[in-house]
Amino acid sequence: AQSVTQLDSHVSVSEGTPVLLRCNYSSSYSPSLFWYVQHPNKGLQLLLKYTSAATLVKGINGFEAEFKKSETSFHLTKPSAHMSDAAEYFCVVSLSGTYKYIFGTGTRLKVLA
Amino acid sequence: NAGVTQTPKFRILKIGQSMTLQCTQDMNHNYMYWYRQDPGMGLKLIYYSVGAGITDKGEVPNGYNVSRSTTEDFPLRLELAAPSQTSVYFCASSPLSGDGNTIYFGEGSWLTVV
Repeated sequence: AQSVTQLDSHVSVSEGTPVLLRCNYSSSYSPSLFWYVQHPNKGLQLLLKYTSAATLVKGINGFEAEFKKSETSFHLTKPSAHMSDAAEYFCVVSLSGTYKYIFGTGTRLKVLA
Repeated sequence: NAGVTQTPKFRILKIGQSMTLQCTQDMNHNYMYWYRQDPGMGLKLIYYSVGAGITDKGEVPNGYNVSRSTTEDFPLRLELAAPSQTSVYFCASSPLSGDGNTIYFGEGSWLTVV
């Protein structure tokens, strides 16, 4: 069975400091993994995705994530937070070719001036 | 570059009323979905469709109906609205294969039942 756990419901960082949003997954097969961002009153926008190619995945707006099979993790990082990064972030796992997408419960990122 | 378009953006319904949330996609995706998002709960799947004429229930289908007469359109019908259906609704689509199985979302529909 597939599952995804976002380890922090809220994360606060100061502007200009690194961001780390943690995601652990469980999957019986090689999964596809995604990070989405949702700004207030907006839809979910794809940040990046892992699909069994390079384990370090670069996304939009300076975000990247590393797939670590041994740790079953897919943590999202950014070297320097910007005020515009304040949003909710969702980690998602899927089996290729299926309809099933499992969503984490989200991490709300707050960026302090 | 429309992607997934859903309407309306905001709606207030009275208890017992019915309404339809419209969704259309222009990416020729086979799969389409309706999710609801409640605070702190992530997204829950209401219904999904693997192609025109084929629909199936997700995790939370009670109180909703869908149809898929074309590849592009996947409307969600709320019958006899209840306060428990106050939520944000997202339509989404994904290809059968390729594109890394990426799922694309509409902008959301905020529904309040009073």
